[in-house]
Amino acid sequence: RKEVEQDPGPFNVPEGATVAFNCTYSNSASQSFFWYRQDCRKEPKLLMSVYSSGNEDGRFTAQLNRASQYISLLIRDSKLSDSATYLCVVIRLPRGGNQFYFGTGTSLTVIP
Amino acid sequence: DGGITQSPKYLFRKEGQNVTLSCEQNLNHDAMYWYRQDPGQGLRLIYYSQIVNDFQKGDIAEGYSVSREKKESFPLTVTSAQKNPTAFYLCASSITDLGNQPQHFGDGTRLSIL
Repeated sequence: RKEVEQDPGPFNVPEGATVAFNCTYSNSASQSFFWYRQDCRKEPKLLMSVYSSGNEDGRFTAQLNRASQYISLLIRDSKLSDSATYLCVVIRLPRGGNQFYFGTGTSLTVIP
Repeated sequence: DGGITQSPKYLFRKEGQNVTLSCEQNLNHDAMYWYRQDPGQGLRLIYYSQIVNDFQKGDIAEGYSVSREKKESFPLTVTSAQKNPTAFYLCASSITDLGNQPQHFGDGTRLSIL
């Protein structure tokens, strides 16, 4: 079983729509969680951390459900510029230091 | 400004040739990582280093080699043993101590076979 699983999409939504992505992780010892954004042919860039209490950054809301082992990203009022691939990332701390586990990404296209 | 610099941006390899991708960071991060990304796919870990003079194989280390002689630098060599090297290579770094710090990425090197 993969450490991190994401629905690859693609998600095609109209401008102004609300869209949500989920990501599940397999190891309950996972410690920290992030969402990254990756534009076509570019490097991943940190979008936001994910906290147990949930956190919001403008139109973006991230949630963590430890009991069910999933994280989510909600984008409200989608803009054309939100079109990208969104990667979820999980950190564990086995011996030897941090281990980062990436999902394969969910593709979002916002349509005019 | 602090950041991670990868060079070159584009690289072409002839058959049988070894090529080296550069990765330098001035973030004072202890840990550095190399990933490979194929079109439409996720990131796969090649090698990582948590501290100077030490590094570990990732999931797809065969055909690659690294060194970590300085904290700031983590070059990746794609050897002739790597038969399918065409991909987007990403270097990343992070703070290791806290377990809650994200990775920061360089802007990548695209490697193609001539």
